[in-house]
Amino acid sequence: GENVEQHPSTLSVQEGDSAVIKCTYSDSASNYFPWYKQELGKGPQLIIDIRSNVGEKKDQRIAVTLNKTAKHFSLHITETQPEDSAVYFCAARLSNFGNEKLTFGTGTRLTIIP
Amino acid sequence: EAGVTQFPSHSVIEKGQTVTLRCDPISGHDNLYWYRRVMGKEIKFLLHFVKESKQDESGMPNNRFLAERTGGTYSTLKVQPAELEDSGVYFCASSQDRHQPQHFGDGTRLSIL
Repeated sequence: GENVEQHPSTLSVQEGDSAVIKCTYSDSASNYFPWYKQELGKGPQLIIDIRSNVGEKKDQRIAVTLNKTAKHFSLHITETQPEDSAVYFCAARLSNFGNEKLTFGTGTRLTIIP
Repeated sequence: EAGVTQFPSHSVIEKGQTVTLRCDPISGHDNLYWYRRVMGKEIKFLLHFVKESKQDESGMPNNRFLAERTGGTYSTLKVQPAELEDSGVYFCASSQDRHQPQHFGDGTRLSIL
């Protein structure tokens, strides 16, 4: 089955600087890669996603890049703000019909230092 | 539009007891998923409903777990009897169809004493 590795497990960044979180996946049949942000006491909230026919996607201060050959994808947050502090999860989903489950990474706790 | 709603938000029970978790998906979402996160590890898939049918239950840990989705609306996940290792946060997610993103509820934190 699919396996997703996520690094780093914790990340502290000065406010205003950029943060990068990286994930690798094992199954080349995966074609959908969402990123979720989880704040304390809340469920994972989708912040951005990318499909395998696209190499990069941006949404304001957030961007995701995908390298299908190397089987890795990354989340980039620019101009970080205190409200960006949270746990971030990457995930991958296979393209097979009937197998729509998400396989998650272990999460990255991002702390923005004011 | 209301999001995915889960009840209760927190449940504390003793080993051997029974607990039932409930999930109300976003209205109109045929796909409903259960996941859980144990001991700060990764979020792991349990099962997937399409309407009232179980599409994939490959992640269910054992036969102490029973999920239902009668009528294709809300879903319940029953753990009977509960064991210590069942402690964790149980998340429900829903999507309109298999190509759409999955939206998560806030989860039920289950503590087995």
